[in-house]
Amino acid sequence: QVQLQESGPGLVKPSETLSLTCTVSGGSISSSYWSWIRQPPGKGLEWIGYIYYSGSTDYNPSLKSRVTMSVDTSKNQFSLKLTSVTAADTAVYYCARRSVGYDSSGYYMYYFDYWGQGTLVTVSS
Amino acid sequence: QSVLTQPPSVSGAPGQRVTISCTGSSSNIGPGYDVHWYQQLPGTAPKLLIYGDSNRPSGVPDRFSGSKSGTSASLAITGLQAEDEADYYCQSYDSSLRDVFGTGTKVTVL
Repeated sequence: QVQLQESGPGLVKPSETLSLTCTVSGGSISSSYWSWIRQPPGKGLEWIGYIYYSGSTDYNPSLKSRVTMSVDTSKNQFSLKLTSVTAADTAVYYCARRSVGYDSSGYYMYYFDYWGQGTLVTVSS
Repeated sequence: QSVLTQPPSVSGAPGQRVTISCTGSSSNIGPGYDVHWYQQLPGTAPKLLIYGDSNRPSGVPDRFSGSKSGTSASLAITGLQAEDEADYYCQSYDSSLRDVFGTGTKVTVL
């Protein structure tokens, strides 16, 4: 059973950089996509981006200029950096495995089948 | 603002059937774009409920079912139970925005 666990500071000052790490256990980080998703208090889910185990990435266009993701296969970990944070970046941050499958017509489909428990990051001075 | 629109809330009595809609466009729901559903119980992480429009992962009760028609998808819960009270989100892939989530629907069991 794959398990994910987020770790990092729970409080970040405005204009600074938010840094989180997700540790994967019960399976290898290799041969899968991994994502970060966030949820502001009382609001819906927002996809931040994904990283493939090889290091290739894709980010939400609205956050692309501030986001960097990286992967460390030797530690079975992947990470998120979000720069120049403001109060609007206060949220519960989840890491998740982005699974790839094929539907009955042969099209690719992408969904999140394993999630971490989430970690609240508050941006405040 | 999400490109996938869901009703803010739906409610039903125990044992009833409720449905949640997820409305998108040709760039995110339709041929080549599958819809997936997640259940988020209060204070917990989302859990995959339906993938590929209508498939249930192992362990998900068959009271939950998904369907898709055109650029809309639906999640149905039959035999509503108190434990189904949660937030539900649809998710798909958008040709421009990549992975996108719906606005979310709160299900209340009366």
